[in-house]
Amino acid sequence: SAVISQKPSRDICQRGTSLTIQCQVDSQVTMMFWYRQQPGQSLTLIATANQGSEATYESGFVIDKFPISRPNLTFSTLTVSNMSPEDSSIYLCSVGVEGYTFGSGTRLTVV
Amino acid sequence: GENVEQHPSTLSVQEGDSAVIKCTYSDSASNYFPWYKQELGKRPQLIIDIRSNVGEKKDQRIAVTLNKTAKHFSLHITETQPEDSAVYFCAASSRNTGNQFYFGTGTSLTVIP
Repeated sequence: SAVISQKPSRDICQRGTSLTIQCQVDSQVTMMFWYRQQPGQSLTLIATANQGSEATYESGFVIDKFPISRPNLTFSTLTVSNMSPEDSSIYLCSVGVEGYTFGSGTRLTVV
Repeated sequence: GENVEQHPSTLSVQEGDSAVIKCTYSDSASNYFPWYKQELGKRPQLIIDIRSNVGEKKDQRIAVTLNKTAKHFSLHITETQPEDSAVYFCAASSRNTGNQFYFGTGTSLTVIP
């Protein structure tokens, strides 16, 4: 299965600022997925990122708030924009057709 | 979209007993059902999965059953051990809708030594 390097592992950010999270995969993958996991909660899909096309966002998530880049088949970024304390969460990228592999996650705290 | 419900939210069992976690899904097009184990502070790890053309799958102490008609699937852990303590998530996905995984709400399993 693919190996994903995700960074940063954690960050503490001021409200109103933005943070970009990166995921690098050790093999080419068609789709990458971005999830949010709030403390003690399940994983919620934010968007699906395909190389060469705009990301597809789930209900409740918008591009202006969570812009995603997918410049090639091994890399993607998720930006959390204009952050508020409600954005404090763990963000994970994942890849796979079946049996997702997850990145190690980014623990974001907004103060 | 797909809606996955999971029960119970917490489960405590004595070491050596069995644990069962149940999930239901809403989208009849879902055809792949993985289970993930997440230990505190770690990423989710796939422990077993089942496809819609199979009714049951077993891997050592872990088994998963699927009832397509009723749209539910279950995780069975036998001879539980303290290291089985973790949060378990079920998920459902469909190739028809892009392979996105929709997760259940999670079950916190505690195995009491």
